[in-house]
Parts: sequence; structure tokens; C-alpha cells
Amino acid sequence: DIQMTQSPSSLSASVGDRVTITCRASQGISNYLAWYQQKPGKVPKLLIYAASTLQSGVPSRFSGSGSGTDFTLTISSLQPEDVATYYCQKYNSAPPFTFGPGTKVDIK
Amino acid sequence: EVQLVESGGGLVQPGGSLRLSCAASGFTFSSYWMSWVRQAPGKGLEWVANIKQDGSEKYYVDSVKGRFTISRDNAKNSLYLQMNSLRAEDTAVYYCAREGGRGIEDVWGQGTTVTVSS
Repeated sequence: DIQMTQSPSSLSASVGDRVTITCRASQGISNYLAWYQQKPGKVPKLLIYAASTLQSGVPSRFSGSGSGTDFTLTISSLQPEDVATYYCQKYNSAPPFTFGPGTKVDIK
Repeated sequence: EVQLVESGGGLVQPGGSLRLSCAASGFTFSSYWMSWVRQAPGKGLEWVANIKQDGSEKYYVDSVKGRFTISRDNAKNSLYLQMNSLRAEDTAVYYCAREGGRGIEDVWGQGTTVTVSS
């Protein structure tokens, strides 16, 4: 099975900072990658799919890029409401549709 | 409003069984793949299983194969997860999710908690 890793595991940044989270697949997955946001105590929410397509209603400060094995999620200007854990997930070919271990983002 | 509502969680002893349900509303349930995703206390998300629109294809994570069975009843707009031979490591919040696109979990329920303990 394909394994997913994320870095860093946590980060602390100031409001307005540009934040980048990396996700890596152990094998190529083309662009079959999604990003989810889970705020503390809340249900996960889909942010991005197909590596770079923003889900409807998601603020434009979120963006995704990458293909193959290396992907990034960028928050262009961190806001207090972005405090959350972010997960990548691969969904190419057959399941399991493995999630990455998560990156916890908070405000400095 | 598109909605998923899970039920059936609770406390069960190791080796026991539990059946989770997920009631869907606000969309054409029979048109979508559906998934179960779980989250152990303080841990990350783990994809558990999914099922095709007509129930003809089912997939599982290795750790639950042979113990869990996913099923659906399109007439009742409902998704199920039968969990047998439960272990302590199955303790988690279990989320029902809709696959808006193949593998893309675009709608999530609020989750139901399963605790496996003696």
C-alpha cells in the first residue's frame, strides 16, 4: 500500500504569515490528492481535491499544488480561524484511501 | 440540506460486536460511493472502508478485513458498518462520509463514538 507522510507535524506562525505544509506519497499518485481541515473538536472538512482544485466555499487564501509524489498546501495569509490540523489523503486507483498523519497549525 | 447522521456507537467489550448506521438526506444517496473513516482519541484520521453505489464493490483497510462489513440500503438511504471481534484499538469516533468524487470525502457526518473496553 502507498504510504503518506506530512511535514512538519506541527507549526506555529503569526497572523498574516504564509504557511506551507508538505505531503509526500511513497509512490506516484498523479494528482489524486485531497486536503482536509479539522478544527479542534470539529468534523473534518474538504478543502482541496485533485491536488489543486479548491472546494466550493473555501477561502482563496488556501491553495494546493503538486503531482506525482510531492504536494503542498499553502495558506497565503494565516488567519486565527485557520487554527486546525490539516490532513492530506490519496485516492488514486484502488483503496485504501490513506490519510497522512496530519499537520497541526496554531497561532504564535 | 445535505446531511449524514451516524448512530449505533457505544461501549462494548473486547471480542464483541456493534452495528453502526448512517442516515443520509438531502441528496440522491444511491448515486454516491460512501465511506467510513475513524479517528482514535487524540490521533489522526484513518480510512476504514467504502462501498460502491449498488453495493457490488467493497473495500477495507487491512486492519479490519474479515472483522468489519460495510453495507448499504438505498431504499432506506442508509449506510451500515457491522463490526465484529472488536479490539481495544478499534476505539474511535467513526465518521460516515460521502464520496463526492471517487475517494473525495466531501460530506461528513458528526461521528459516533465506539469504545472497546472491559
